[in-house]
Amino acid sequence: NAGVTQTPKFQVLKTGQSMTLQCAQDMNHEYMSWYRQDPGMGLRLIHYSVGAGITDQGEVPNGYNVSRSTTEDFPLRLLSAAPSQTSVYFCASSYTILAGLYNEQFFGPGTRLTVL
Amino acid sequence: AQTVTQSQPEMSVQEAETVTLSCTYDTSESDYYLFWYKQPPSRQMILVIRQEAYKQQNATENRFSVNFQKAAKSFSLKISDSQLGDAAMYFCAYSGGGITGTASKLTFGTGTRLQVTL
Repeated sequence: NAGVTQTPKFQVLKTGQSMTLQCAQDMNHEYMSWYRQDPGMGLRLIHYSVGAGITDQGEVPNGYNVSRSTTEDFPLRLLSAAPSQTSVYFCASSYTILAGLYNEQFFGPGTRLTVL
Repeated sequence: AQTVTQSQPEMSVQEAETVTLSCTYDTSESDYYLFWYKQPPSRQMILVIRQEAYKQQNATENRFSVNFQKAAKSFSLKISDSQLGDAAMYFCAYSGGGITGTASKLTFGTGTRLQVTL
């Protein structure tokens, strides 16, 4: 099991460029989510998905798009990067959306994104 | 909306000593979960310990234990016999206990950086 993988690990963009952060998990988890981590602000939820074909917004969704065509993959798209999107991005997954022992979140290693 | 507050940006502890990290939260839900995550310099988020709100007994994982005060909405982490490898950023987090997807939506505090000295 590779767990939750994210690519790339580092990325530098210019303002206005677009890109996709990749996230994949091989644990057959139904729930996947994206967080951003900024200094002094902890991690904040961007978007999440409760299963293939189903996505919803989190706390800070503006400027980001997601889709979930398969159980395994949950890419995060920046359509027109802005300096305010400079951050570390984490993808996470859990087995189920239900509360209980099996809703532990597994995090990927993160992507450090810099927008100039 | 739920909020999680960590009022200690930085803490320091000597090796082999005990340290307590504070966390308070605000929620109107009766069923929820609380977590402590560790983030070492590698950036990887590691689950340290979790507590179910319906359980009165405080969770314990080896050297890590919590003091869960539901009425006070307080959830502190105690690290006993601190080791150099415990140096990291520690995040307190909350998730709801429902079946609408809130169970896996985490709300994080701003973190406490723990230094461990010789």
